[in-house]
Formats: sequence, C-alpha cells, structure tokens
Amino acid sequence: AQSVTQLDSHVSVSEGTPVLLRCNYSSSYSPSLFWYVQHPNKGLQLLLKYTSAATLVKGINGFEAEFKKSETSFHLTKPSAHMSDAAEYFCVVTLYSSASKIIFGSGTRLSIRP
Amino acid sequence: GAGVSQTPSNKVTEKGKYVELRCDPISGHTALYWYRQSLGQGPEFLIYFQGTGAADDSGLPNDRFFAVRPEGSVSTLKIQRTERGDSAVYLCASSPGPPLVNEQFFGPGTRLTVL
Repeated sequence: AQSVTQLDSHVSVSEGTPVLLRCNYSSSYSPSLFWYVQHPNKGLQLLLKYTSAATLVKGINGFEAEFKKSETSFHLTKPSAHMSDAAEYFCVVTLYSSASKIIFGSGTRLSIRP
Repeated sequence: GAGVSQTPSNKVTEKGKYVELRCDPISGHTALYWYRQSLGQGPEFLIYFQGTGAADDSGLPNDRFFAVRPEGSVSTLKIQRTERGDSAVYLCASSPGPPLVNEQFFGPGTRLTVL
C-alpha cells in the first residue's frame, strides 16, 4: 500500500534559522514526490518535485529536498527561514500515472518567530 | 495568465439539498482533478478527468457525488442530498498532462457548509 507520513504537525523556528520539515513515504514502486505550500486563504502552490532524476531537488524560495530511497524519506529544508515562509506544507506521493494514487500527507504548519 | 478559478467561493446549504460546484481550469490543461480538504487534513483525491472523460473516479465517497466535464474544460462537481459530513473545502486543480510528473495548479477552493 502507498502512504505518506509527515512526522510533525507543527514546526516553529526563529527567523534566520534552518527549516526541516520531515516526510516519509511507503511505496512498492518508485514514486514521484512533491512538496506543495498553502498560504492562508491562497491556493496550493508547488514548491518542488522529484521524478527519478537528481535526488537533490531545488525548488522555489530557497527550499530544497533530498530523495533518500534507503530511508524512504523526502525531507524539505531551507537554510534560513523568512517570515513569509509561514504556511502549511504538504508532502505528496504519486505512483505511475494513476491519479487515485495521489496521496497527500496531513500537512505541517510552519510558524516563524521574529 | 489566469489561474484555476472556482465558484462559488463559499456555499452554505441545508442538509438534504443539492449543490453544484464549478471549476474553470487553466486554458489548454487536459487534466483536471477534484479534491476534498477537511479541517486539519491534507487534500483527499475525489476524481480525475483526462479530457472529457473521468479517468479515475475511485475517490468519490458514494453515489451522491458526481462530476462532469462535458467539453473538456469547465467541470462541475455535483452533490445530491447533502449531509453535514460533506462540509469541507473542495479544491480543483488542473495540469497540462498526467499526474506522475506534471505540476498541478490549484484553485482557491469552495468552502461548503452543510447546516
């Protein structure tokens, strides 16, 4: 069975410090993995995606994620948090081209302390 | 250019009523998806269209839910005999191709409240 687990429902960091949002997946086959961000009262926006090319993926706004098959992880990182990064983040796994296998994690709310 | 739009932005209805939620995808996008997002949860897949046909409707919770995309562009999600448990934000997304590698572009959602 395919699933995705976001290990933290809420992460709080100080502005200027690193961000780590954790995501683990379970899949019998090689998945495609995405991170989406949802700002309050705005639509979901793609941050980055992994589709079996380079395992270190760079996205928008300084975010990046590393696909680690041995750990079945796809953690999202950013070296220095900005106040505008405060939002809800979702890890998403897809399998082949079956839309029913698009699985969203339950989300991690990122708060930034001044 | 214009993004994905959804109307209405908010819909309040009474238990047992019928509702229609509309999605206008990005022009030229062949794939269209509907999701339901409950408070504190990630979006839950409902149905996926490729062109005019429903390629996968396995996420629809029961036969009260139905969706159409007659001309391969605008889609309507229809809910009959609404129940309080149907209250959620309904999200629509479109993409230029199948979901394996293509980014989905999301609309702002329709917040449905069933009293």
